[in-house]
Amino acid sequence: DVKVTQSSRYLVKRTGEKVFLECVQDMDHENMFWYRQDPGLGLRLIYFSYDVKMKEKGDIPEGYSVSREKKERFSLILESASTNQTSMYLCASSSSTGLGSVDQPQHFGDGTRLSIL
Amino acid sequence: GQQVMQIPQYQHVQEGEDFTTYCNSSTTLSNIQWYKQRPGGHPVFLIQLVKSGEVKKQKRLTFQFGEAKKNSSLHITATQTTDVGTYFCAALNSNDYKLSFGAGTTVTVRA
Repeated sequence: DVKVTQSSRYLVKRTGEKVFLECVQDMDHENMFWYRQDPGLGLRLIYFSYDVKMKEKGDIPEGYSVSREKKERFSLILESASTNQTSMYLCASSSSTGLGSVDQPQHFGDGTRLSIL
Repeated sequence: GQQVMQIPQYQHVQEGEDFTTYCNSSTTLSNIQWYKQRPGGHPVFLIQLVKSGEVKKQKRLTFQFGEAKKNSSLHITATQTTDVGTYFCAALNSNDYKLSFGAGTTVTVRA
């Protein structure tokens, strides 16, 4: 069974801090995703990676960066945390039928509820 | 860009009743996926539809892909308390192959 593990379930940080959210998957999936989930807005894609060191901006990349140095690990970085980045962050992974394709089901982690004070 | 609308946003259902939630896209889709997120949980993949007019069933859940591949529906019969949660559609745009999630339909059940 696919396992996507996010490093923290809950996290509290202060405005201006640099925040790292980590995600690890154990199914050798090519694709990994970072979403944020806010009430009434569904899942909004922050960044997507289709291979090691490869990334694409999603719908809301401002204020975020990502790192994928190993296939199984995808990190989300908040360069200087702000209160409007308080949210639930979900990591997901999926297999790929072709480089960059996102047509396969995604497997989600349990999420990190991040509060910025 | 592609817009994916899910209606209704909230669905309050009497246990035992049927209901339908809809997912509509402004563009033609390559495929559509449905996910369920239980309260406090994470989205879990339910099904993927690929062909025009395709209908798939999972027990009391019936999923349909529109003939024009621009919309989809999820119909639940004889709703149970285990159906509580938020149902998301994820639509793959056939032009740019970008995947967009709808805002979800949150279902509550009255016993």
